[in-house]
Amino acid sequence: DIQMTQSPSSVSASVGDRVTITCRASQDISRWLAWYQQKPGKAPQLLIYAASSLQSGVPSRFSGSGSGTEFTLTITSLQPEDFATYYCQQANNFPPFAFGGGTKVEIK
Amino acid sequence: EVHLVESGGVVVQPGGSLRLSCAASGFTFDDYAMHWVRQVPGKGLEWVSLIAWDGGRTYYADSVKGRFTVSRDNNKNTLYLQMNSLRDDDTALYYCVKDKNAGNYYFDYWGQGTLVTVSS
Repeated sequence: DIQMTQSPSSVSASVGDRVTITCRASQDISRWLAWYQQKPGKAPQLLIYAASSLQSGVPSRFSGSGSGTEFTLTITSLQPEDFATYYCQQANNFPPFAFGGGTKVEIK
Repeated sequence: EVHLVESGGVVVQPGGSLRLSCAASGFTFDDYAMHWVRQVPGKGLEWVSLIAWDGGRTYYADSVKGRFTVSRDNNKNTLYLQMNSLRDDDTALYYCVKDKNAGNYYFDYWGQGTLVTVSS
């Protein structure tokens, strides 16, 4: 099975900061990767798919990059509504569709 | 607008059974594969099961294989998860999730979840 490892597990940042989250796959998944945002008490929402494609309705301050085993989610100019937990998910080889452990973006 | 509404979550004893349902609307249900994903409150996400658009193929996480069965009724636009031999570690919020496009397995719409608690 493919394992997904996210880092850091949490990050403290201020409004306006640039935040980068990393996701590593235990084997090559090409660009079969998605990123999700989850706010407390809410279901996750798809932000990025195919490593770098922005889901409809998602602000352009979110971007994704990477291929193979290393991927990044970048939030430029962090907004108050962006404080949440972010998960990566591989879609290359299943079952299972593995998620990363999550990265909590907190207010500094 | 896509809506996914889960139901059926309750408190059940270890070893018990439960069937979750997910009523779908706002899209052509039988055009899409569907998934169940679960989350222990305060913890991460765990994919549970996938069913193809026609129900012809199903897949499961190792943790539930042999105990859970996913099915769908395309005439009723409803997804199901039959859960048998429930264990304490099956306690979680269970989300019904829609596939974004055929064959790429990204999760573009999620229900609000139904809570299953396994406890004596």
